Amino acid sequence: DAGVIQSPRHEVTEMGQEVTLRCKPISGHNSLFWYRQTMMRGLELLIYFNNNVPIDDSGMPEDRFSAKMPNASFSTLKIQPSEPRDSAVYFCASSFSPASGRSYNEQFFGPGTRLTVL
Amino acid sequence: QKEVEQNSGPLSVPEGAIASLNCTYSDRGSQSFFWYRQYSGKSPELIMSIYSNGDKEDGRFTAQLNKASQYVSLLIRDSQPSDSATYLCAVTAGLGGSYIPTFGRGTSLIVHP
Repeated sequence: DAGVIQSPRHEVTEMGQEVTLRCKPISGHNSLFWYRQTMMRGLELLIYFNNNVPIDDSGMPEDRFSAKMPNASFSTLKIQPSEPRDSAVYFCASSFSPASGRSYNEQFFGPGTRLTVL
Repeated sequence: QKEVEQNSGPLSVPEGAIASLNCTYSDRGSQSFFWYRQYSGKSPELIMSIYSNGDKEDGRFTAQLNKASQYVSLLIRDSQPSDSATYLCAVTAGLGGSYIPTFGRGTSLIVHP
């Protein structure tokens, strides 16, 4: 069974350009998370979707960042315009969260996209 | 502000020894606890989850949870060089809280031959 799929795996772009990162969650999972990881700040949650609806985007650093989840099998994270400080590894993770009861929330991560903004 | 604290390390142990990784958390209502392993240049991989006080064993790994003291630990028995990685602790809020886990910064483990 395929895990979380992310594309591209590597992206090098110039400052000011638009960057779009893509994610396909595990089939049957209803929660999707976008994270950013850097040496300085560790793993940071950017935004979280539940049943395709954005629930918490408080981690999105600026208006330059936006995320969408048009259906249960696809999500995008867009940065426009990109800046050198956006350079990081971006992970997408998915999980199954029950509607009620305990929030087990075992997350499964994709391979990540290493973004370099020059 | 929910916090999850880990010693950044590196923790260096000889091959065959027991590696002990610790994590403390601030939210007393937390109910779900996870350990992820992350090799350099790779994504975090879930290796253990624990929800109740006590020990949970899976092969060479044992997770220990003490909610009264608000800590969770991971023991790796018979450590191997292939266990060298960063170990991330993640904690999820309790009933009525969000599904969003809070991650620690991770502990780097080095197992030397």
